[in-house]
Amino acid sequence: DAGITQSPRHKVTETGTPVTLRCHQTENHRYMYWYRQDPGHGLRLIHYSYGVKDTDKGEVSDGYSVSRSKTEDFLLTLESATSSQTSVYFCAIRGRGGDGEKLFFGSGTQLSVL
Amino acid sequence: DQQVKQNSPSLSVQEGRISILNCDYTNSMFDYFLWYKKYPAEGPTFLISISSIKDKNEDGRFTVFLNKSAKHLSLHIVPSQPGDSAVYFCAASDPDDMRFGAGTRLTVKP
Repeated sequence: DAGITQSPRHKVTETGTPVTLRCHQTENHRYMYWYRQDPGHGLRLIHYSYGVKDTDKGEVSDGYSVSRSKTEDFLLTLESATSSQTSVYFCAIRGRGGDGEKLFFGSGTQLSVL
Repeated sequence: DQQVKQNSPSLSVQEGRISILNCDYTNSMFDYFLWYKKYPAEGPTFLISISSIKDKNEDGRFTVFLNKSAKHLSLHIVPSQPGDSAVYFCAASDPDDMRFGAGTRLTVKP
């Protein structure tokens, strides 16, 4: 358990509405990531952060923005949700030391955009 | 552009037998490879990994083999148990990036 909490666990929203997903970690990890999981695609990186206010785009960043104002919180925002953003979203942190090559994931947020 | 491919969406094996999950990658810059296991409604959990300087890493019932020349890795589970039934994701990383395969759903039948 890497001390990662994602909220909400489930969310149903309508097309065009803004949605914010939260990832909270308790162990002061520097690197945090947002992935989405879709059938046939596995896990794809949306955005990542390498420190407070330091973020960068991943493979599938269009339609998403992120913010990291505190070390412990990494927020993912869908400014205007679309049905193609229905997915399971996972937050991850990068381990330290001997675990520095590994990512540790939260339990996920199931998002449905109707 | 799928840089990491798991060509078998599903695999079914009998309890006690060997499970072999395969993964291919295209980017020769990847230098670290991982397998993750995922149960329904949970996040992926780290299972086993291997550095590109090795060709085998073993941890209990789980062994990962790496063939760099073929850009291929495999996960062997011996003996397979019903609790191993899950989706397995292969991942490959370089210092800047980690890419995942689409996953293989393993079912171990009692």
